[in-house]
Amino acid sequence: DAGITQSPRHKVTETGTPVTLRCHQTENHRYMYWYRQDPGHGLRLIHYSYGVKDTDKGEVSDGYSVSRSKTEDFLLTLESATSSQTSVYFCAITPDGFIRPFFGQGTRLTVV
Amino acid sequence: TQLLEQSPQFLSIQEGENLTVYCNSSSVFSSLQWYRQEPGEGPVLLVTVVTGGEVKKLKRLTFQFGDARKDSSLHITAAQPGDTGLYLCAGFITGANSKLTFGKGITLSVRP
Repeated sequence: DAGITQSPRHKVTETGTPVTLRCHQTENHRYMYWYRQDPGHGLRLIHYSYGVKDTDKGEVSDGYSVSRSKTEDFLLTLESATSSQTSVYFCAITPDGFIRPFFGQGTRLTVV
Repeated sequence: TQLLEQSPQFLSIQEGENLTVYCNSSSVFSSLQWYRQEPGEGPVLLVTVVTGGEVKKLKRLTFQFGDARKDSSLHITAAQPGDTGLYLCAGFITGANSKLTFGKGITLSVRP
């Protein structure tokens, strides 16, 4: 949907390599989130940001880092990808708080 | 511990049938949201309920929030193939550690 663009949409990478996923929004929303979605687990929050350079951990943050240098961009980095990080990653935004996140189309990441 | 239990996990029905699915918890929520997700896409918000006992209708979909704000149901009348998808509920708890928790989802398939 217009408003959030995730890139890349698909990626295959090797174990041990660094990977960065990008989320770009045009809504000027304050909050941005990274979720992962796995069968049997549903959507789980990895990290979120409540402003430029303001970030915090979610429930599954180990092995991930984030950065937000501009309102519109939120990057998720896997420092050294592992097979357990194979998942579909969703970026989401809200104008304030956690309620009613608007989701991007997702990035399917496969770590081989 | 799964905070939000959705049932049934999978449901396959014939076009024209009615169905009800559930989202249950032992926690009290400030609000609860329902999303629908189609393959390869991000979740799309259907409705937010905030008041105990509240009923909201979206065309053939009826959403109800439990009186104690611990559970919710989604009823679909005369299901159509276009209703096929993954239905997610998400509960929001306010407080010092505000968070939005997603259920694992209900996979609905409506056969023509």
